Amino acid sequence: DTGVSQDPRHKITKRGQNVTFRCDPISEHNRLYWYRQTLGQGPEFLTYFQNEAQLEKSRLLSDRFSAERPKGSFSTLEIQRTEQGDSAMYLCASSFESTANYGYTFGSGTRLTVV
Amino acid sequence: AQSVTQLGSHVSVSEGALVLLRCNYSSSVPPYLFWYVQYPNQGLQLLLKYTSAATLVKGINGFEAEFKKSETSFHLTKPSAHMSDAAEYFCAVSPGAAGTASKLTFGTGTRLQVTL
Repeated sequence: DTGVSQDPRHKITKRGQNVTFRCDPISEHNRLYWYRQTLGQGPEFLTYFQNEAQLEKSRLLSDRFSAERPKGSFSTLEIQRTEQGDSAMYLCASSFESTANYGYTFGSGTRLTVV
Repeated sequence: AQSVTQLGSHVSVSEGALVLLRCNYSSSVPPYLFWYVQYPNQGLQLLLKYTSAATLVKGINGFEAEFKKSETSFHLTKPSAHMSDAAEYFCAVSPGAAGTASKLTFGTGTRLQVTL
């Protein structure tokens, strides 16, 4: 069990470019969550998957954002036409469905800076 | 709807002193409550959780929290602060058994500074 892995750890991109982040959950965890954390704030829920199905998306997730979990294992979060307001830490977390209510395991995050 | 309010964005204590970080919640259903810790440039680590069993919850690193329904509070305490406790602490609430998504709603965090 290597924990939840996120790649890259840091990403600097120019405004208008597309970026993609990857999350590898703890193996066999069927729940996967994405949160966004801006400077000085707590994390905010973006979306979650159960296996390969995306079951809920926050209103924070504009049309420029898309998340996938094609085989029910790793997940990707893509941001198209990045804006400066997208600068944040993007956190991934995973759990078993049966234990999700008791807290889940977060990765170290991907810090995005849009210049 | 659920929310948490963390009183005090910064708390400074001396090494060996009591740590008290405050969290008040609002929830329309019986909540589950959590404290997470975040060290610089790292993700969140679960310290402890209340899930409707014992109201006094013990967590890792000597931390504990007490669920007080009458005060809608879930304050985090540690009898004696250590330099390694310096970090950002987040209180979070979920709808518990009433929710299927297990989404967490976080507070804005409290930065704990420990001085010699």
